[in-house]
Amino acid sequence: DSGVTQTPKHLITATGQRVTLRCSPRSGDLSVYWYQQSLDQGLQFLIQYYNGEERAKGNILERFSAQQFPDLHSELNLSSLELGDSALYFCASSVGHDNEQFFGPGTRLTVL
Amino acid sequence: DQQVKQNSPSLSVQEGRISILNCDYTNSMFDYFLWYKKYPAEGPTFLISISSIKDKNEDGRFTVFLNKSAKHLSLHIVPSQPGDSAVYFCAASNPWGGSQGNLIFGKGTKLSVKP
Repeated sequence: DSGVTQTPKHLITATGQRVTLRCSPRSGDLSVYWYQQSLDQGLQFLIQYYNGEERAKGNILERFSAQQFPDLHSELNLSSLELGDSALYFCASSVGHDNEQFFGPGTRLTVL
Repeated sequence: DQQVKQNSPSLSVQEGRISILNCDYTNSMFDYFLWYKKYPAEGPTFLISISSIKDKNEDGRFTVFLNKSAKHLSLHIVPSQPGDSAVYFCAASNPWGGSQGNLIFGKGTKLSVKP
């Protein structure tokens, strides 16, 4: 158990809908990262927050947004969902901008 | 353009033998490398790392070798056990962060260790 929690574990929704994925980092970790893993793909970096502020932004679609709250949990919002958004979404945390990141179990999103 | 490449999508090894997983990178400025292991339905977990000032780091059955001139690293697992069956991701530390984040991952190699 990495100490990073993600909810929900599975999400099935329809095209055009909007969903919110939630992540709670390890106790004491200030950085939260979001990654997308599509079929046969590696982990694609989406966005990083550090202590409530956006720190780095990857190839995150405009339909996607995220935030980190004062209690350091983070949410990833995906809207106007398309079939191609079906993927595993991982959250990771680290103390600072550390190399070693601790990953949550992921949320599997299926868009039908 | 992939900066971290794991060219073997899968590898099958007999229990007790050595598993060698390979990773190539393109940016000579990368200075720290990590291996993560991922079981189905779980998130990746950190396994072992190596700094560019070293050419070898060992932790129990796991050893990572770094060849900077070839921009190549490898993970050796000796002896391999069925519980090692997982997907292994190589990652490079990106000191500039930015749009790629501070870790750049390869696509992973699925290791199967047969009893």
